[in-house]
Amino acid sequence: GAVVSQHPSWVICKSGTSVKIECRSLDFQATTMFWYRQFPKQSLMLMATSNEGSKATYEQGVEKDKFLINHASLTLSTLTVTSAHPEDSSFYICSARNTQGAGELFFGEGSRLTVL
Amino acid sequence: AQSVTQLGSHVSVSEGALVLLRCNYSSSVPPYLFWYVQYPNQGLQLLLKYTSAATLVKGINGFEAEFKKSETSFHLTKPSAHMSDAAEYFCAVSTYSSASKIIFGSGTRLSIRP
Repeated sequence: GAVVSQHPSWVICKSGTSVKIECRSLDFQATTMFWYRQFPKQSLMLMATSNEGSKATYEQGVEKDKFLINHASLTLSTLTVTSAHPEDSSFYICSARNTQGAGELFFGEGSRLTVL
Repeated sequence: AQSVTQLGSHVSVSEGALVLLRCNYSSSVPPYLFWYVQYPNQGLQLLLKYTSAATLVKGINGFEAEFKKSETSFHLTKPSAHMSDAAEYFCAVSTYSSASKIIFGSGTRLSIRP
């Protein structure tokens, strides 16, 4: 199946710093990518839809100035957590839709963010 | 609007026993339905998908699911559980379009007893 890669897998940062997480589709082009947040023992919460070449669409309640999303190419989307605080600690997962297939999403391995 | 409901946040079965994870959906248009598996600290892996073709869908690792429109259900089954099946399972629904969102259920944690 298609491969989506996330980097870094683990990141620890100090409160107040910014962290960038990359999501790449390795063997297909993705005009749309999605960013999810997952709290322990909970489901995935959709944060935003990342559209190549245009602004991301954020879900209600997600601060767009806090979670900056850039989708500069058909294979790369980035999520930047700005001025991170301990409550931003979470598991962040990206996914990309293979428009050549049946519409299923392929997921990255996830990025565990810990803010001290 | 679309939604999925997974009945039972935790299911425990004995090794070799039948696995049944329940999922009901709501959709105003013909849905696409998915089951994903997540192992600890990992992303999601697609088990199987229903895309309006055969109603009985076979997936990886011996899992299968049956789409029942009359019951708005898409339950996941496996005849004989293995220890390696212990994981979190998510049912999801979407419609096919290049940008449509996939909505996830709350997840069911499957435990396997030796």
